[in-house]
Amino acid sequence: GQNIDQPTEMTATEGAIVQINCTYQTSGFNGLFWYQQHAGEAPTFLSYNVLDGLEEKGRFSSFLSRSKGYSYLLLKELQMKDSASYLCAVYYGNNRLAFGKGNQVVVIP
Amino acid sequence: DADVTQTPRNRITKTGKRIMLECSQTKGHDRMYWYRQDPGLGLRLIYYSFDVKDINKGEISDGYSVSRQAQAKFSLSLESAIPNQTALYFCATSDRGQNQPQHFGDGTRLSIL
Repeated sequence: GQNIDQPTEMTATEGAIVQINCTYQTSGFNGLFWYQQHAGEAPTFLSYNVLDGLEEKGRFSSFLSRSKGYSYLLLKELQMKDSASYLCAVYYGNNRLAFGKGNQVVVIP
Repeated sequence: DADVTQTPRNRITKTGKRIMLECSQTKGHDRMYWYRQDPGLGLRLIYYSFDVKDINKGEISDGYSVSRQAQAKFSLSLESAIPNQTALYFCATSDRGQNQPQHFGDGTRLSIL
């Protein structure tokens, strides 16, 4: 089976920076996605990494190390609306996505 | 209008009933997926389809069946519902290509009593 690990929850202060980690062991690797999901809503796409290194997109950046089976999502200048679950998903083998359980980020004033 | 539409949004039913969840999309994507989401377990793939004539089982297909009626429509059926199928169900679509993200519908909250 595919194994994708994320911490379950973290709390951070408005305006701060938070790093959300994801480690994976999958049968094949064709890329890694990050999604944001607010409670009771649909996941929405944030970023995609397939090569090692950092991808920056506004306040959000995502990093990948394929040799370590590791990725992180960096959220800068945290806002209250960033309170959500952040899902790491690996595209593997036969064109399927395997999702982690999600990391719940709580932003406090 | 939403690009990926799921109906119904909420459903409460009894054990043993047959249930159909429907998904339609206006994105023109070939690929469609059904997931369920349970607290603490994340999203798990039930079935997926890469075109109208292609249907594949995901990691938890037992107790479910699907039909791809057209490029834009993909329905999920529970033949005889049981309480542990109570979950939030999502349909998703994507374009071809490994770098193409999946786009999710708003979900169907299903409760089986």
